[in-house]
Amino acid sequence: NAGVMQNPRHLVRRRGQEARLRCSPMKGHSHVYWYRQLPEEGLKFMVYLQKENIIDESGMPKERFSAEFPKEGPSILRIQQVVRGDSAAYFCASSPADRARETQYFGPGTRLLVL
Amino acid sequence: GESVGLHLPTLSVQEGDNSIINCAYSNSASDYFIWYKQESGKGPQFIIDIRSNMDKRQGQRVTVLLNKTVKHLSLQIAATQPGDSAVYFCAEKVKGGKLIFGQGTELSVKP
Repeated sequence: NAGVMQNPRHLVRRRGQEARLRCSPMKGHSHVYWYRQLPEEGLKFMVYLQKENIIDESGMPKERFSAEFPKEGPSILRIQQVVRGDSAAYFCASSPADRARETQYFGPGTRLLVL
Repeated sequence: GESVGLHLPTLSVQEGDNSIINCAYSNSASDYFIWYKQESGKGPQFIIDIRSNMDKRQGQRVTVLLNKTVKHLSLQIAATQPGDSAVYFCAEKVKGGKLIFGQGTELSVKP
């Protein structure tokens, strides 16, 4: 049973470009969460999605950031017009639809570097 | 506001000793807590979890203790091994589903 998959693992962008980060949840999981980790810090929640729905985006910046989890395909975190402050590790986690099983399992992350 | 914090940012232990990593949380309404291990360049790896209706839970070589009175969580690792060297995070699940993480404790195991 494959775990949470993220790609790319490393992404380099110049200021002003767009970054697209992909996350495929574990098989059978329909809840996806995105977190951001700055160096030497803990993870900060960004957004929580279920298939075709954004449940909670309270941690996501209002501008330049967007997320989706379509009916088919991976979840996408999109950052437009990247700035150096966007450089971080972005982690995706997934959990099952069964609310009694609440553990979130994390992918390996995408490390974004903005030049 | 909501926060989860750790008392010690670094912990160094001898191989074979027991390790204890502590965590304080502030949201008394939280009912689910998780410990994660993160190795360099990797994503957080689930270690053990506990619900608020419990005060202790044991896994393989690990034990989590929850003291709701003082809002304190700890992770105990028995017979610590070099492979246990990593950063350990506690996380608190708040209403709505998101996790709030502490800043992390770096565990270093000396052979």
